[in-house]
Amino acid sequence: EAGVAQSPRYKIIEKRQSVAFWCNPISGHATLYWYQQILGQGPKLLIQFQNNGVVDDSQLPKDRFSAERLKGVDSTLKIQPAKLEDSAVYLCASSLDRLGTSRNEQFFGPGTRLTVL
Amino acid sequence: AQSVTQPDIHITVSEGASLELRCNYSYGATPYLFWYVQSPGQGLQLLLKYFSGDTLVQGIKGFEAEFKRSQSSFNLRKPSVHWSDAAEYFCAVGGLEYGNKLVFGAGTILRVKS
Repeated sequence: EAGVAQSPRYKIIEKRQSVAFWCNPISGHATLYWYQQILGQGPKLLIQFQNNGVVDDSQLPKDRFSAERLKGVDSTLKIQPAKLEDSAVYLCASSLDRLGTSRNEQFFGPGTRLTVL
Repeated sequence: AQSVTQPDIHITVSEGASLELRCNYSYGATPYLFWYVQSPGQGLQLLLKYFSGDTLVQGIKGFEAEFKRSQSSFNLRKPSVHWSDAAEYFCAVGGLEYGNKLVFGAGTILRVKS
C-alpha cells in the first residue's frame, strides 16, 4: 500500500514570496490533515478536511495560509506572502476516520521542509 | 488550554539498557493517547495507542506504554534499547475533550550510545 506522498521535499524562498505544497493521501482515506512542525516543537494542526469539506481550520492563519482538497483526494496548502516565522516542516497526514473522532491512526507523509530567508 | 508535556527534551541511553519516556496531559477523563516516532527526514509512525481497557498497551518494535489516570500520564517504555531506536518520540492526545484533534507534545530526542 502506497503511503502519503508530499512534494516538494524541500523549498527555500524569500520572505513575501508565495509557496505551495502538495499532498496525496492514502487511497480511500476520508480525512486529511496539514500540520506545521516548527523546529523543537511537536506538530500543530493547521487544517483538517473530511472528504473535501473543512472540519477544523481554527489554527490556520487565514490572512496568509489557504488550503483546498480537490474532489476529496489531493490537497494543496499555500502560503502567500511567506514570513520568516513560517520556516518549518509541513506534514500531511491521512486517516480512515469518517467520524472525525481522532480514534483512527493517522498516517504521515515525509513532510516538506520550508526555509524562508 | 489543552496541553501535552514531555519533560525530557533529550535522553541518552546505552544500547541494551531500559528506556522510559515520560508524557503528561493537561486534562481529560477519557483521552485517546498515542505515541509516535519520527526518524530524520521521515514522517511520524504510530508506535501504539490507548483508548480504553487494559492500561498497559503493547506496540510495535517492542515498545509498551502504561496509562495512569491518577497521574494523567502515558509513559513509553522499552526493556532493551537497540541502536536503531535512536529517533524523536512524540506523545499525542486526542478525543472529544481535545476537540477531536491530536495535540502533540514537543518531543523527546533519544540518543543510543554503543
